[in-house]
Amino acid sequence: DSGVTQTPKHLITATGQRVTLRCSPRSGDLSVYWYQQSLDQGLQFLIQYYNGEERAKGNILERFSAQQFPDLHSELNLSSLELGDSALYFCASSVVGSFNGELFFGEGSRLTVL
Amino acid sequence: DQQVKQNSPSLSVQEGRISILNCDYTNSMFDYFLWYKKYPAEGPTFLISISSIKDKNEDGRFTVFLNKSAKHLSLHIVPSQPGDSAVYFCAASARYGGSQGNLIFGKGTKLSVKP
Repeated sequence: DSGVTQTPKHLITATGQRVTLRCSPRSGDLSVYWYQQSLDQGLQFLIQYYNGEERAKGNILERFSAQQFPDLHSELNLSSLELGDSALYFCASSVVGSFNGELFFGEGSRLTVL
Repeated sequence: DQQVKQNSPSLSVQEGRISILNCDYTNSMFDYFLWYKKYPAEGPTFLISISSIKDKNEDGRFTVFLNKSAKHLSLHIVPSQPGDSAVYFCAASARYGGSQGNLIFGKGTKLSVKP
């Protein structure tokens, strides 16, 4: 158990819809990262937050947005969903803002868009 | 354009033998490299890392080798055990670059260790 909690574990929705994925980092971790893993792809970095502020942005679509709340949990919002958004979405956390060590990953949220 | 490449999608090894997983990278700004292991229905877990100032790092049965001139790293598992069967991801970071150190992952190599 990494200490990172993601909900929901599975989500099935239709094209055009909007969903929210939630992540609670490990106790004490200030940094939250979101990654997307599509079929046969590696983990693609989407976005990082540190103590409530956006720290780094990767290959995140404009239809996607995220935020980190004062209690340090984070939400990833995916809107106008397309079939190609079906993927496993991982949240990870770390203590420091700039990466200097390992990330602790949650079990992921599997999104299926029909 | 893939900055971190794992060209072997799968690898099968006999129990007790050595497993060698390879990874190539293209970005010369990368200065920190990690291997993660992932079991089905679980998130990736950190296995071992190496800084670019070293060429080898060992942790028990796991050793990572870094060849900076070739932009290549490898993970050696000796001896391999059935419990090592998992997907292994290579990852790289440019800790002091403009990317703020986020991890770039390869696509992974599925290792199967047969009893």
